[in-house]
Amino acid sequence: SQKIEQNSEALNIQEGKTATLTCNYTNYSPAYLQWYRQDPGRGPVFLLLIRENEKEKRKERLKVTFDTTLKQSLFHITASQPADSATYLCAPLDTGRRALTFGSGTRLQVQP
Amino acid sequence: SAVISQKPSRDICQRGTSLTIQCQVDSQVTMMFWYRQQPGQSLTLIATANQGSEATYESGFVIDKFPISRPNLTFSTLTVSNMSPEDSSIYLCSVLWRDSRSYEQYFGPGTRLTVT
Repeated sequence: SQKIEQNSEALNIQEGKTATLTCNYTNYSPAYLQWYRQDPGRGPVFLLLIRENEKEKRKERLKVTFDTTLKQSLFHITASQPADSATYLCAPLDTGRRALTFGSGTRLQVQP
Repeated sequence: SAVISQKPSRDICQRGTSLTIQCQVDSQVTMMFWYRQQPGQSLTLIATANQGSEATYESGFVIDKFPISRPNLTFSTLTVSNMSPEDSSIYLCSVLWRDSRSYEQYFGPGTRLTVT
């Protein structure tokens, strides 16, 4: 069966450090993989999309890598800030599908 | 991008009753989806709302329990029927925004449902 695995334990880091979140998937052939941010009581907000033929994508302090051989994506936030504290969701889009399915998310806590 | 609103934002309902949630988008979109997020869990896709035809339901979700309407390209409703406490959840409307450079899903603010 299909599975998306994100570290369920919260990630606590100090302000200014780089946060790295991991997403592993099985039984997917994603054409795209997306990362979303979700704050408590709110809907997810789109952050970045990476295509299957891209190894890396950057947007300001965010960087996403995509390894289709390892079936893994890494999400990095550099120079982290307390405002980055949120739950981050990984969502591969399977070939032939239209709607995203989401991992359980990793909660990031950035300490000042 | 797309801006999505949902009504109601929250409700407390008695078991056995039904609640209809509305989703309004500020622009025409082809694909609309309904998700559920139970407490402490990630999002689960309920169905794809198809304009002009019956919704496409994911495994574990049926039309009798979650009837969906999609009368046009900017509006959809989800009804949670014959509710039980297990239906307590956040229900989210989502739309797909696609152009030559992007493939993004936007989400509404959610409807927090509590069934007593």
